[in-house]
Amino acid sequence: AQSVTQPDIHITVSEGASLELRCNYSYGATPYLFWYVQSPGQGLQLLLKYFSGDTLVQGIKGFEAEFKRSQSSFNLRKPSVHWSDAAEYFCAVGLSNQGGKLIFGQGTELSVKP
Amino acid sequence: SAVISQKPSRDICQRGTSLTIQCQVDSQVTMMFWYRQQPGQSLTLIATANQGSEATYESGFVIDKFPISRPNLTFSTLTVSNMSPEDSSIYLCSVEDVVGNTIYFGEGSWLTVV
Repeated sequence: AQSVTQPDIHITVSEGASLELRCNYSYGATPYLFWYVQSPGQGLQLLLKYFSGDTLVQGIKGFEAEFKRSQSSFNLRKPSVHWSDAAEYFCAVGLSNQGGKLIFGQGTELSVKP
Repeated sequence: SAVISQKPSRDICQRGTSLTIQCQVDSQVTMMFWYRQQPGQSLTLIATANQGSEATYESGFVIDKFPISRPNLTFSTLTVSNMSPEDSSIYLCSVEDVVGNTIYFGEGSWLTVV
């Protein structure tokens, strides 16, 4: 069965430090991969997506993610975190044969220390 | 990108009542979906809203509890019937933008059942 795992429930980083949020998926075919961010009291905002092609994808707000097929991973990175990045981050896999449906990971809550 | 409006944004509902949530998209889309996010949890797909036919429900969700309408390509409703406190959740509408290979979410409808 398809699944998404975000191993870290909560991460705290200092402002200005680098960030990496982990995401592993289980899916038999080529996945469509997404990262969304949810700020407190807000809906979901798309950060970036991977469908095909270059495995390093750039997103909004200075985020990037790298698709590694051999590791079934799609980790999210940012070189320098800002206090406004504090939020919940969700990794999701889209099923290529069931257009539009997403399976979400449990989310990683990011806290940023001044 | 698709702009999605959901109404109501928030509501407090009495146990045993029903509430209908509306989702309006600013462009025609083929695929519309409804998700539930229970407090502190990730998102779970409730159903796919199909235009011109009955919705397709995921395991654990039934039409009697979550009836869905999709009268045209820009609008859908989700009703949460006979509510109990366990239905207190954020309900999110999403659409697939086939051209952009992207899935967008509305801001969510935050329901509290008392």
